[in-house]
Amino acid sequence: NAGVTQTPKFQVLKTGQSMTLQCAQDMNHEYMSWYRQDPGMGLRLIHYSVGAGITDQGEVPNGYNVSRSTTEDFPLRLLSAAPSQTSVYFCASSRLPGGGELFFGEGSRLTVL
Amino acid sequence: DAKTTQPPSMDCAEGRAANLPCNHSTISGNEYVYWYRQIHSQGPQYIIHGLKNNETNEMASLIITEDRKSSTLILPHATLRDTAVYYCIVSAYNNAGNMLTFGGGTRLMVKP
Repeated sequence: NAGVTQTPKFQVLKTGQSMTLQCAQDMNHEYMSWYRQDPGMGLRLIHYSVGAGITDQGEVPNGYNVSRSTTEDFPLRLLSAAPSQTSVYFCASSRLPGGGELFFGEGSRLTVL
Repeated sequence: DAKTTQPPSMDCAEGRAANLPCNHSTISGNEYVYWYRQIHSQGPQYIIHGLKNNETNEMASLIITEDRKSSTLILPHATLRDTAVYYCIVSAYNNAGNMLTFGGGTRLMVKP
């Protein structure tokens, strides 16, 4: 049972480069979201989606883009990487758009030099 | 969403019950109390949630006070594998999305 799958697990970028973090879930969940976690801190919501074709901003959306063309996939794009985006990124999904249990991926560790 | 206050760290002896408190004095009537934990650098793991009644599942029990201003997560027989950061979150079901806000949490250390 795959659950929520994130790729890549590790990535090193240079300042100004762009990249996409992939997230896929096989539970047919409507709700998906992206969080970032900086060292010693809690998680902060970047973007979320309540269904295919619908996305919205979370607490810290600047510098990131998302799209939701299918129920299964919710990629996170870094447009022009900055050292401040060095973090661990977690993707999550849930069956209910507004509540209930969130299932998290294992995280993608990004370093921007 | 209402904010929560948790102690930054706690210790517990292996095999004993771990009682993790959470204060949420500004909780609204439609907000649920959620508990998640994060083991090392893994993705957070859902434990339990409740509205006003006490809840129990295979992992833990959740005790919510009658005025709903505080709650306690109980791990009945803590093991070394329960060492983790435990997050208490309050959030309402809403159509704007499942915007759970993770604070600092409590770092639980289970000791042999």
